[in-house]
Amino acid sequence: GAGVSQSPSNKVTEKGKDVELRCDPISGHTALYWYRQSLGQGLEFLIYFQGNSAPDKSGLPSDRFSAERTGGSVSTLTIQRTQQEDSAVYLCASSDQGTPSPLHFGNGTRLTVT
Amino acid sequence: AQSVAQPEDQVNVAEGNPLTVKCTYSVSGNPYLFWYVQYPNRGLQFLLKYITGDNLVKGSYGFEAEFNKSQTSFHLKKPSALVSDSALYFCAVRDLYNFNKFYFGSGTKLNVKP
Repeated sequence: GAGVSQSPSNKVTEKGKDVELRCDPISGHTALYWYRQSLGQGLEFLIYFQGNSAPDKSGLPSDRFSAERTGGSVSTLTIQRTQQEDSAVYLCASSDQGTPSPLHFGNGTRLTVT
Repeated sequence: AQSVAQPEDQVNVAEGNPLTVKCTYSVSGNPYLFWYVQYPNRGLQFLLKYITGDNLVKGSYGFEAEFNKSQTSFHLKKPSALVSDSALYFCAVRDLYNFNKFYFGSGTKLNVKP
């Protein structure tokens, strides 16, 4: 079946511009996560959505970052007024809830802020 | 607090030799543990998980991991390494009390030389 889909795969933007990154999770997965991975580094948790519950935003690094999940499916991560330090790979993952299920990751969006 | 540690940034092994990638964990209660692999320009792929039961868990691509409660370890192993196993490997633990939280290690780069 289809996996987690992220778009665009690459995004180059100028400092100060806003960007939107999209994630389409596996159908039926109620949990959706966003992570950030700097070059060759580990994963930094950003935000988590579970069904209709309030999202866990505890990992968002600043108020320039926000995310939405519409209809319990597709999610959009928005970064306003991008800075060079925002350059990274943004990974989306989805999971079943209620069972010890693994995360299923998309291939990520590589964001470069010039 | 839940956490995992991967003490080695890099592991080098010759093709055909056995490989071990180390992971130790710190959790309250019984852990849900996972291993993921990341190939260049790709998202993380699930390899295997330990939930309960047999301490030796078998996963994808011939990998296995041994859960050791007394040593709080969950090392990834493979009897005979392939050059194609060269990648970045992440250990992760799922929080039993806050089920939406996954804690990832910092990653270990595996280099398999021909």
